[in-house]
Amino acid sequence: EAQVTQNPRYLITVTGKKLTVTCSQNMNHEYMSWYRQDPGLGLRQIYYSMNVEVTDKGDVPEGYKVSRKEKRNFPLILESPSPNQTSLYFCASARERANQPQHFGDGTRLSIL
Amino acid sequence: AQSVTQPDIHITVSEGASLELRCNYSYGATPYLFWYVQSPGQGLQLLLKYFSGDTLVQGIKGFEAEFKRSQSSFNLRKPSVHWSDAAEYFCTVGAPDTGNQFYFGTGTSLTVIP
Repeated sequence: EAQVTQNPRYLITVTGKKLTVTCSQNMNHEYMSWYRQDPGLGLRQIYYSMNVEVTDKGDVPEGYKVSRKEKRNFPLILESPSPNQTSLYFCASARERANQPQHFGDGTRLSIL
Repeated sequence: AQSVTQPDIHITVSEGASLELRCNYSYGATPYLFWYVQSPGQGLQLLLKYFSGDTLVQGIKGFEAEFKRSQSSFNLRKPSVHWSDAAEYFCTVGAPDTGNQFYFGTGTSLTVIP
């Protein structure tokens, strides 16, 4: 079954404690992306990757890091989380570029205290 | 700059009534347009997409959307709404010609009353 898998689904942590949200896809997609969803703001793109070792900033990259060492994985790293990063996060993948539909993970609910 | 506007934050319709969700976009090149649906606690599912050709596109679950270039719109429609259609709907523009980002509208929340 084609899917995008995120872990963890829920996480409550404290300010400053580094965390990583993993994302993996099994469709051999080249394009992967991270979004945050906040009430009234829709989804905003954090980072995206066109292929292995190629990453680009989206609209809200501050406070986040990503890496793309393998085609299937695209982890999101918060090195020093702050309360304003409390949000619902989605990972997505698309076959090649931003002219293709995306497949989304089920989301990760992060609470930073 | 690219942007997507969904002017209706929340819509309530009766079951069996018709539905239209509005979407306007701003994008200088050929738009790649998508509608996604998000059920409570779920990820996003693709309803339909428009790349080129026929401006009326059909999607899953009985939804359709019409692309109107002159109005920069891509409105989503359904002739008869079912209670299971209650969800959040997002209009999205893909921008492969200007950086390969996706831009989402702020969403429209649909409530269906019996």
